[in-house]
Amino acid sequence: DVKVTQSSRYLVKRTGEKVFLECVQDMDHENMFWYRQDPGLGLRLIYFSYDVKMKEKGDIPEGYSVSREKKERFSLILESASTNQTSMYLCASPPRRGTDTQYFGPGTRLTVL
Amino acid sequence: DQQVKQNSPSLSVQEGRISILNCDYTNSMFDYFLWYKKYPAEGPTFLISISSIKDKNEDGRFTVFLNKSAKHLSLHIVPSQPGDSAVYFCAASAGRGSTLGRLYFGRGTQLTVWP
Repeated sequence: DVKVTQSSRYLVKRTGEKVFLECVQDMDHENMFWYRQDPGLGLRLIYFSYDVKMKEKGDIPEGYSVSREKKERFSLILESASTNQTSMYLCASPPRRGTDTQYFGPGTRLTVL
Repeated sequence: DQQVKQNSPSLSVQEGRISILNCDYTNSMFDYFLWYKKYPAEGPTFLISISSIKDKNEDGRFTVFLNKSAKHLSLHIVPSQPGDSAVYFCAASAGRGSTLGRLYFGRGTQLTVWP
């Protein structure tokens, strides 16, 4: 069974802190994606990666960076957390080559105080 | 500008009846369409998809219809059950190699199925 896991289900951080969100997939796929989901705004793409050490900006990259040192792991970094980054963060990856279907992790609910 | 639009933020349906969720898109390069279901505090789960070479795809109680000329797709759930209550997201992609497999999502429709 394919699996995308995220390091934390819930996180509470303070304004200005550096925050790391980790995502791991066991599907041996190149593509990985980070989204945030906010009520009424749907899923918005922050960054994605199509290979190790490769990254592309999505629609809302400001305030975020990413790291992809290994194929199975894709990290989202909030350099200096702000209250408007309070959100549900979702990682996704396709289950196999040849499909654009994405499987999502369980999400991390981040609250920035 | 949003390339995938779900114009109804919410839909309320009685148990046993049909639920119809709608989605419109603007990019004519989109050739693969998906529906996801999301419960609170969980990640979205893939529900059903359709390629642009088809106009209908069915999986149990779920059927997706695609009207390419109108750039419109819909998800039908028959019969609706209380466990179907969730947010449904429509998504589209423009094919492998052009956008590296990224999906474009609508804003979602909250479906409530009442007994």
